[in-house]
Amino acid sequence: SQTIHQWPATLVQPVGSPLSLECTVEGTSNPNLYWYRQAAGRGLQLLFYSVGIGQISSEVPQNLSASRPQDRQFILSSKKLLLSDSGFYLCAWGLAGVGETQYFGPGTRLLVL
Amino acid sequence: GENVEQHPSTLSVQEGDSAVIKCTYSDSASNYFPWYKQELGKGPQLIIDIRSNVGEKKDQRIAVTLNKTAKHFSLHITETQPEDSAVYFCAASKGGGATNKLIFGTGTLLAVQP
Repeated sequence: SQTIHQWPATLVQPVGSPLSLECTVEGTSNPNLYWYRQAAGRGLQLLFYSVGIGQISSEVPQNLSASRPQDRQFILSSKKLLLSDSGFYLCAWGLAGVGETQYFGPGTRLLVL
Repeated sequence: GENVEQHPSTLSVQEGDSAVIKCTYSDSASNYFPWYKQELGKGPQLIIDIRSNVGEKKDQRIAVTLNKTAKHFSLHITETQPEDSAVYFCAASKGGGATNKLIFGTGTLLAVQP
């Protein structure tokens, strides 16, 4: 069966510091991968998605970037965090080609102070 | 682009009662409609989904109905239990790959009172 992991689970970072959140998927090959941000427990905002290694599509202009160095690894990064980057970050995967159903990871709660 | 509206934003029911959450979508080309349950501090979990060639789908106490003509779909939970308390999200997609993305509703906070 497939599983999705995210780490860290919780992160407190000062404004201006860098960020790296990691997501890995097990039990499937060539998945579609997604990064979402959720503010205040509601509203899932799609940030990035990827259909393959090195292929990243950005949905909204922002202070963040994403990379996919390996088939089942998706990384969310920032060079300098802003207060507004605080939130709950969710990674999700879906089957390549079909793609509608998405399965979410446990999330990373980021607090920027 | 697609827009999904979800109502109500909060719903409080007594244990054992039924709960209904409704969503409407704008793009008639949408053909896939999942529902997710999110417990506090956790990622959303897929609980049921329906495709546009089906009008209703059931899984134990949970059912989803779809009205393509009116472009709305609903989640029905019967015999609610305290563990059903969570935020529920509906979503819509035109399918066909990652580029046809899931568009989410704004969520419904369901509270089941024991």
